[in-house]
Amino acid sequence: GAVVSQHPSWVICKSGTSVKIECRSLDFQATTMFWYRQFPKQSLMLMATSNEGSKATYEQGVEKDKFLINHASLTLSTLTVTSAHPEDSSFYICSARTLSGQEETQYFGPGTRLLVL
Amino acid sequence: AQKVTQAQTEISVVEKEDVTLDCVYETRDTTYYLFWYKQPPSGELVFLIRRNSFDEQNEISGRYSWNFQKSTSSFNFTITASQVVDSAVYFCALNTGGFKTIFGAGTRLFVKA
Repeated sequence: GAVVSQHPSWVICKSGTSVKIECRSLDFQATTMFWYRQFPKQSLMLMATSNEGSKATYEQGVEKDKFLINHASLTLSTLTVTSAHPEDSSFYICSARTLSGQEETQYFGPGTRLLVL
Repeated sequence: AQKVTQAQTEISVVEKEDVTLDCVYETRDTTYYLFWYKQPPSGELVFLIRRNSFDEQNEISGRYSWNFQKSTSSFNFTITASQVVDSAVYFCALNTGGFKTIFGAGTRLFVKA
């Protein structure tokens, strides 16, 4: 099956620094990628939808200046958490959507754990 | 509005018991997809099943089975003869085509030896 990778798998940073997380579709082209955030013992919440070559669409309540998303190619999307604070500590998961004929499938990455000290 | 409800927050069973995880969804779309994912402690989502709204056939895969009933907007998941390795958080999810997959709150399953 299709594979989506994320890098890094975990990161610890100091408050105030920026952190970039990469999401790659390894063996398919993804026109759309999604970024989710999951706090401990909670569900996945969609943060934004990113389409290749265009601006991301953010969900209500998600600060676009805080969470910068770039989808520069059909296989790579990046999420940058700018000026990270302890409350940004979370598990960030990306997914990539692909369309094969009429069948649409979404593949999830393994997630990135962010801890902001 | 779309919504997925997993009313069971936590379930604890003893190994070899059968367990059913409930999922109720809401959508006005006639075409949609339902999913179940398993999230073990490592955090990586494991895809279990996808069902489209036009296919109400129940499915069995080994010890797993799914009961899709449009009349009650439910997509329940049963694990037969549970094992300790089944311990995880299970998410039911809904996608109405294209842009958003909405997840339920998840059900944490503990299987004790």
